[in-house]
Parts: sequence; C-alpha cells; structure tokens
Amino acid sequence: DIQMTQSPSSVSASVGDKVTITCRASQGISSWSAWYQQKPGKAPKLLIFAASSLQSGVPSRFSGSGSGTDFTLTISSLQPEDFATYYCQQANSFLFTFGPGTKVDIK
Amino acid sequence: EVQLVQSAAEVKKSGESLKISCKGSGYSFTDYWIGWVRQLPGKGLEWMGILYPGDSDTRYSPSFQGQVTISADKSISTAYLQWSSLKASDTAIYYCARLPRQQLNHFDYWGQGTPVTVSS
Repeated sequence: DIQMTQSPSSVSASVGDKVTITCRASQGISSWSAWYQQKPGKAPKLLIFAASSLQSGVPSRFSGSGSGTDFTLTISSLQPEDFATYYCQQANSFLFTFGPGTKVDIK
Repeated sequence: EVQLVQSAAEVKKSGESLKISCKGSGYSFTDYWIGWVRQLPGKGLEWMGILYPGDSDTRYSPSFQGQVTISADKSISTAYLQWSSLKASDTAIYYCARLPRQQLNHFDYWGQGTPVTVSS
C-alpha cells in the first residue's frame, strides 16, 4: 500500500501569512494527488486535484505543486475562513490513501 | 446541481446490522464511481471502497474488505454501506463521495456525512 505523510501536523499562522503544507508518498504516484479542506462538523471539500489543478470555485490563493513523491499545498495569504484541517490524498490503481492531516489554526 | 444526500444519524448496539444510504442527484448516477470514507472521532479520513453503479463493479480497501458491503440501487440513484454485525470500533462518521467521470483519482462531491454510534 502507498502511504502518505504530511508535515507539519499542525501550524499556527496569522491572517495574511503564507502557509505551505507538504505531503510525501511512499512511492511515486505521478501527479495523482489531491488536497481537501475540512472544517469542524463539515464534510471535506476538494481544493486541488491532479497535483496542481484548482477545483472550480476555489479561491486562487490556494495552489498545489509537485509530482512523483513530493507534493505541496500553498495558501498565499491566509484568510479567516481558511482555518481548518487539510488532507492530501493519492490514488493508484483504484486504491486511495489520505494523509494524516494538517491543522491550521490561529496564532 | 450535483448533490449527495446521506441518511440520518444512527445509534445501534454491538452485534446489530446496519445499512446507511447516499442518494445522488443532479447528474447521471450510473456513470460515476461513488466511494465511502470513514472518519473516526477526532481522527483523519480513511478510504473504504468504491462502486460503479452502472455495473456494480466494487473495489475495497484491504483494511475494510470483508468488514462492510458496498452496493447500489441504480433505479433510485442510491448507494449503500452496510454492516452485518457492528462493533463499538465502527463508531465514526461515514461520508460518501463521487469520483469525476474522466479522472478516477479524487473525490469532487461529498455527502454531508452519517454519524454512526455503536454502544457495547
């Protein structure tokens, strides 16, 4: 099974800060990675797919990059509504794995 | 508008059976894979399995194979997740989610979640 690790596990940041979250796959997955945002009591929301494609309706301050084993989610200027937990996810031959999550909270 | 609407919260006892549902609307239900994801209390997301309603092709995570059954009734655009004998460790929120038609590697629409509580 392909495992996903994320770092950091949590980050404290202020409104306006740039936040970067990284995800590493245990083996190469080409560009088949996605990022989700989850707020307390809510379902996850797709932000980025295929490593760098922005889902329709998602603000452009969110961006993704990477390929192979290393992927990055960047929030260019953190907004109050961005405080949440973020998960990466990989897919390989109809097997899906989520990373453990990164909680972004208020500094 | 694409929507996945899940059944209401459940409270059950260990050993009981359960079937929860996920009704799709606003798209052609039989043309898109649909999956189930578990979230234990205060924990992360775990993929359980996916099903293609068009032909009922089903793939399970090795962690959940034999533990649950995923099915669908395409006549009513509804997918199901069922247990034959619940355990307290099945207490979690369960989400259904759709895979986009052309890219079978992420979930673009999610249901609101069904909380399941199993008491011992």
